[in-house]
Amino acid sequence: GQSLEQPSEVTAVEGAIVQINCTYQTSGFYGLSWYQQHDGGAPTFLSYNGLDGLEETGRFSSFLSRSDSYGYLLLQELQMKDSASYFCAFEYGGATNKLIFGTGTLLAVQP
Amino acid sequence: DAGVIQSPRHEVTEMGQEVTLRCKPISGHNSLFWYRQTMMRGLELLIYFNNNVPIDDSGMPEDRFSAKMPNASFSTLKIQPSEPRDSAVYFCASSFTSGGSLETQYFGPGTRLLVL
Repeated sequence: GQSLEQPSEVTAVEGAIVQINCTYQTSGFYGLSWYQQHDGGAPTFLSYNGLDGLEETGRFSSFLSRSDSYGYLLLQELQMKDSASYFCAFEYGGATNKLIFGTGTLLAVQP
Repeated sequence: DAGVIQSPRHEVTEMGQEVTLRCKPISGHNSLFWYRQTMMRGLELLIYFNNNVPIDDSGMPEDRFSAKMPNASFSTLKIQPSEPRDSAVYFCASSFTSGGSLETQYFGPGTRLLVL
């Protein structure tokens, strides 16, 4: 089957750096995406890793290691507005391609 | 440029009633996805269409759920009859899919459904 694991909650202070880990298990893997969802809002795309290594987009970076079935999202210079849920999702290429989402990590940024 | 549009934004209904959720994808996108989000089960893919054709409906919970995409700019998700356990936020998302890769998905604001 397919599954993803990520921590349920993370707390950090404004200005700090936080890393949200994601491990996955699947037989057909194309890439790992990260989405952000504020309370009451819709998920919005943050980052995608199709290959091993680090992808950087402003204050956010995402990393993928296919050999370890592991990825992470790194948020730097945390701001209060970064308080949200963060979902990793892998692109599953079985009979049909689709995104499988993790259960999400609730990030609380404290002043 | 308008994003994904969903209606209604909120729906309160009684058990046994028919519920129809509507979605207008981003113009030019060729893939459309219906998701359900609950605290217990997280974000689940119900069904997705590519070029208006249902590709994967393995996530549709049961026969009470049906989805259609009559054209590239409109899709519906219908629940008949509705049950309290269907209460959730239903998201529609769209993307431009090429070469088998799913690409970035753009989510609509969601429909918050409460079945009493």
